[in-house]
Amino acid sequence: QVQLVQSGAEVKKPGASVKVSCKASGYTFTSYDINWVRQATGQGLEWMGWMNPNSGNTGYAQKFQGRVTMTRNTSISTAYMELSSLRSEDTAVYYCARRADYYDSSGYSNPLLDYWGQGTLVTVSS
Amino acid sequence: EIVLTQSPGTLSLSPGERATLSCRASQSVSSSYLAWYQQKPGQAPRLLIYGASSRATGIPDRFSGSGSGTDFTLTISRLEPEDFAVYYCQQYGSSPLFGPGTKVDIK
Repeated sequence: QVQLVQSGAEVKKPGASVKVSCKASGYTFTSYDINWVRQATGQGLEWMGWMNPNSGNTGYAQKFQGRVTMTRNTSISTAYMELSSLRSEDTAVYYCARRADYYDSSGYSNPLLDYWGQGTLVTVSS
Repeated sequence: EIVLTQSPGTLSLSPGERATLSCRASQSVSSSYLAWYQQKPGQAPRLLIYGASSRATGIPDRFSGSGSGTDFTLTISRLEPEDFAVYYCQQYGSSPLFGPGTKVDIK
């Protein structure tokens, strides 16, 4: 079965960087983009960016441009998200999610995030 | 830039009742790109509906989605205890965009 297993909780000081991992299993890692979404406590879901594990190509939300880097290690089917220059507002749960394209009865492609990791709490505090 | 609005913010209902959740887009979106997710406390979001009206694998048929253009609806025909959660609509254009969510809580 498809699983995305993320690394454990992190506590960082303002200005530091954090690197969260997301290990995929149960499918061909290089066949599906990995997206990263974060959620501050009691808040909604905020998309951060995507990475194609096959090519390494990435796309980041404008808000995170220059601070986020998404990489992968295909030999161990693991994606990484590194966020730098951390501030208190970055305290959140960070999720990785697999992007898939489901085809509906009309034959149209429906892009969506079908499997999610369990989340990694990143706390930024002095 | 598309903005998604969900209403109501909170819906207080009893088990067995019908829940109707709304998602409105600031401009027309393709139905193929509209999905709904359920999130329970301490858990990751779970895909419920894609293509505005298709249920994801394993999702009970009490969940249904409808709509087109700018107005979409998620309906839960009879609420079960496990359905009390937060529901997000999502539009997947060039990148995923989530609505602010509707919390369905127990009355």
